[in-house]
Amino acid sequence: DTAVSQTPKYLVTQMGNDKSIKCEQNLGHDTMYWYKQDSKKFLKIMFSYNNKELIINETVPNRFSPKSPDKAHLNLHINSLELGDSAVYFCASSQDRTLAGGLRDTQYFGPGTRLTVL
Amino acid sequence: GQSLEQPSEVTAVEGAIVQINCTYQTSGFYGLSWYQQHDGGAPTFLSYNALDGLEETGRFSSFLSRSDSYGYLLLQELQMKDSASYFCAVNRGNNRLAFGKGNQVVVIP
Repeated sequence: DTAVSQTPKYLVTQMGNDKSIKCEQNLGHDTMYWYKQDSKKFLKIMFSYNNKELIINETVPNRFSPKSPDKAHLNLHINSLELGDSAVYFCASSQDRTLAGGLRDTQYFGPGTRLTVL
Repeated sequence: GQSLEQPSEVTAVEGAIVQINCTYQTSGFYGLSWYQQHDGGAPTFLSYNALDGLEETGRFSSFLSRSDSYGYLLLQELQMKDSASYFCAVNRGNNRLAFGKGNQVVVIP
């Protein structure tokens, strides 16, 4: 009955590899997000999708490619991993993305994927 | 551009009251949210202010002054389980949240 789930929870890999992180939400939300949290706990949005359409792309290197096969899933593929990619990646979802904001925009976060690049 | 300032750490005893401040400077503002994150856990939503004033949710209250670009989160009757990081986040439109650096609260017996 997990609301927002991510796999894997931990990912350790070598520089230069390609890896994917998967996210699924069963809340019936329309909007999903990827965030990166660095070692200093700074949480920064990377991407947002609304009904499978890319809404936000926050100057993320094009080695990162999100894919949304349907509105309940948002995966993140990372090519040519670098040391600086080591972080915790959080998926989140919200019911809506109204321009005016509001409680319908409350974001629910998944448990995170801790990526370590060696 | 945008920046959110939050002090870094505060220690308080159980039962005390803690106020966490947040000042922001951002292009586009639709509201201020607060999130709690325990070590190793995910951020969880606490409170949201779109308009000036105080929002109360149990032991936690959040305040916003749009004219001062300032908000705060008030934690009352602190409990050990409140030891966590607290983040303010500005909604810049399109639900684009810009998070502050967070404030670590440590509750001691």
